Formats: sequence, structure tokens, C-alpha cells
Amino acid sequence: DQQVKQNSPSLSVQEGRISILNCDYTNSMFDYFLWYKKYPAEGPTFLISISSIKDKNEDGRFTVFLNKSAKHLSLHIVPSQPGDSAVYFCAASSTGANNLFFGTGTRLTVIP
Amino acid sequence: DTGVSQNPRHKITKRGQNVTFRCDPISEHNRLYWYRQTLGQGPEFLTYFQNEAQLEKSRLLSDRFSAERPKGSFSTLEIQRTEQGDSAMYLCASSSGLAEFFGPGTRLTVL
Repeated sequence: DQQVKQNSPSLSVQEGRISILNCDYTNSMFDYFLWYKKYPAEGPTFLISISSIKDKNEDGRFTVFLNKSAKHLSLHIVPSQPGDSAVYFCAASSTGANNLFFGTGTRLTVIP
Repeated sequence: DTGVSQNPRHKITKRGQNVTFRCDPISEHNRLYWYRQTLGQGPEFLTYFQNEAQLEKSRLLSDRFSAERPKGSFSTLEIQRTEQGDSAMYLCASSSGLAEFFGPGTRLTVL
């Protein structure tokens, strides 16, 4: 039972344009959401997070949007850079839970 | 480097052998997690420690798997009588709050 879903396995974007990565979840108890970036042969690297009391969180080129009614979040990267090419994982947790639930990832390729 | 470290980075073993992995978390983090990741999937939770106490285990953690965190610092994950289905990346993470910080992982290949 996949509680966090990333329905796009891959995405290609031109350098300088916006990358939008999407994530859906089914568990209404989730109240904290994170995005991780993973390069080959490395562990996931924490990028940005958002609490369910907010609908937007911004950190430099990265912005995460949360739509609780739709159980949907997205990660915007503007402008995209070739170094952003990686697999991006969406993750979620709920208060009192001891672990994160991850999506299956979206491979982003930024074309120079 | 003050990040999470894991050893070994790669392990190849024959079916039926025992293997042990080590994780050294970020020193001030009291929470430690083990995850497993297979190709095309996101990390899947295995077990969680708060200090030296193992507080949660996933049903993925069969009785062939055991994890310890003596003294609340480093942790070990042992797999006994390995099976080919155990081949995966084993990730360790630590945290002191809501975000978890991952190590580079140990890639296990069971022949």
C-alpha cells in the first residue's frame, strides 16, 4: 500500500526553466512533508520541508507547495541547473510516527 | 565530515552467509533509523532507535534481521542466513528533529 505516490518516473527540463515535481499522498494523518535529492551511489540528501500548517515554503531556488485538500504537494526549482539532475523523493510523516514514508522518486534531468 | 557514515559501502556475499553493517550517526542526534531501498523504489523503513532503545520495527524486518545501538551511539544491522531477496541498498539516517539525514548506504549483493 503506497501511501506516498510520485506518478512521474522521469522529467526533463531545459536549463534555466522551471522544474515542477509532483507528489500525492493518501494518509490524511500526514502533517509533515519533505523532499530529498539523491545522486547515484549516495544516500538521499534533505532539500526542503513543509508543515501542514503552511501551504508554501521557500528556500532559495526551491519552493514546496502543499494543497491539503487535494493531498498534493509539489517542488518547484527555478531556475533549473544541470547540477539539479538527480532522483527526487517525496516523503511524509505524521505526528508521533517514528519514520518517513517515501514515494518511488522522480528522475529529473536538466538539459544544458 | 560530520555527516552520517556507513561501512562497508559495498558487500558481496554468498547466500546463507551472515553480514553486518555499521552506521555512525551525526553525533548530537539521538534518533537513528534503518531503511532499505531496492531498485525503482523509495527507501522503506526497517527500524528506529531513540538513544539505545529500539522503539519500532517494521514487518519488513524478519527474524533474520537484528539491529543494535549499544550506548546510543553507532548502530549495527545484522542479517543472518542471507537470501538473494536481501540484495538492496541499506540506508541509515539520524535526526534530532523532524528531518532525517541519511548516510551513503551499504549496497548488499547476495549471490
